[in-house]
Amino acid sequence: AQSVAQPEDQVNVAEGNPLTVKCTYSVSGNPYLFWYVQYPNRGLQFLLKYITGDNLVKGSYGFEAEFNKSQTSFHLKKPSALVSDSALYFCAVREAAGNKLTFGGGTRVLVKP
Amino acid sequence: DAGITQSPRYKITETGRQVTLMCHQTWSHSYMFWYRQDLGHGLRLIYYSAAADITDKGEVPDGYVVSRSKTENFPLTLESATRSQTSVYFCASSWATSTDTQYFGPGTRLTVL
Repeated sequence: AQSVAQPEDQVNVAEGNPLTVKCTYSVSGNPYLFWYVQYPNRGLQFLLKYITGDNLVKGSYGFEAEFNKSQTSFHLKKPSALVSDSALYFCAVREAAGNKLTFGGGTRVLVKP
Repeated sequence: DAGITQSPRYKITETGRQVTLMCHQTWSHSYMFWYRQDLGHGLRLIYYSAAADITDKGEVPDGYVVSRSKTENFPLTLESATRSQTSVYFCASSWATSTDTQYFGPGTRLTVL
């Protein structure tokens, strides 16, 4: 069975500082990994995904994520956080042979001015 | 192009009543999904559909019924609502392959009294 862990319920960061949201996963085959962001009272918005190729994936709004197969991790990063990045972030994984996404519990990011 | 829409956005009902949540997408995506979002649980898959007239259970299907007579619509019915079904419900859709991104609707907040 596939699973995703987001070890931090909340991440606090000052505006302008680097932001990292952690994600580790477990799948039986090759993983397809996704990051989504959810703003208050909104649906989930796609940020980026890793399918194959370069381990560093660049996505929307200046976010990027690094796939690390040996550590089974897919941490989300942004070099300089903005107050508007404050939101709930979800990591998700899908096995290469499947169609079901499994989500982590979410990490709330609070960027303070 | 509306993308993916859900209705109603907010619903209050009573225990034992039947409730139907609607989902409509304009992309002709093959796959459609229903998730529920609860504090502490992230998003959990209720049902999904690979095409019209093809549906399958997800992680938490009990108490829910789905149908998909047309590609663009995927209604979710709570046949006899219970308080434990108070949640935010998200519909999503994607193309056919496992590398494809799922796109989410804005959600329906359901309260069962």
